[in-house]
Amino acid sequence: DVKVTQSSRYLVKRTGEKVFLECVQDMDHENMFWYRQDPGLGLRLIYFSYDVKMKEKGDIPEGYSVSREKKERFSLILESASTNQTSMYLCASRNQGRGYEQYFGPGTRLTVT
Amino acid sequence: GENVEQHPSTLSVQEGDSAVIKCTYSDSASNYFPWYKQELGKGPQLIIDIRSNVGEKKDQRIAVTLNKTAKHFSLHITETQPEDSAVYFCAASRDNQGGKLIFGQGTELSVKP
Repeated sequence: DVKVTQSSRYLVKRTGEKVFLECVQDMDHENMFWYRQDPGLGLRLIYFSYDVKMKEKGDIPEGYSVSREKKERFSLILESASTNQTSMYLCASRNQGRGYEQYFGPGTRLTVT
Repeated sequence: GENVEQHPSTLSVQEGDSAVIKCTYSDSASNYFPWYKQELGKGPQLIIDIRSNVGEKKDQRIAVTLNKTAKHFSLHITETQPEDSAVYFCAASRDNQGGKLIFGQGTELSVKP
């Protein structure tokens, strides 16, 4: 079974803090994705990575950056957290050579106060 | 930009009834249409998908239909059961986007026993 794990299920941070969300997958997948999920807006892509050290902006990259130094790990960074970044963050991975299915982690509920 | 619209946002049915969720997409080059199910506290999981060269696909109680001319696709669940209660997301993608998915807004399905 593919397993995608995220470092925290719940996180509370203060405005202005630098926040790191970590995602690890154990299936040697090339592609990894970060989404945020908000009620009524569905899943919106923040950043994705085709492979190690590669990254592409998604639809809403403002205020975020990412890091992929190792194939199994994809980190989302909030440089200076703001209250409008309070959301559910979902990480996903995909085997580039085997179709389009994305495997999701359980999510991190981030609250910025 | 590319967009996927999903309706309804909430759907309540009696156990045993059918449920239908509809999506429309804007990018006529889209050729892959998955449906994901998200149970409470979990990440979304693929339940069925369809490619643009197929009009309908069925897997036990779930089916997806695609109308490429009208640019819409639908999820049909028959003989609904309480365990079908979840949030359902449609998505669209095309071959030259590196597996990037554009998600709909989500439908919260409630199946009442």
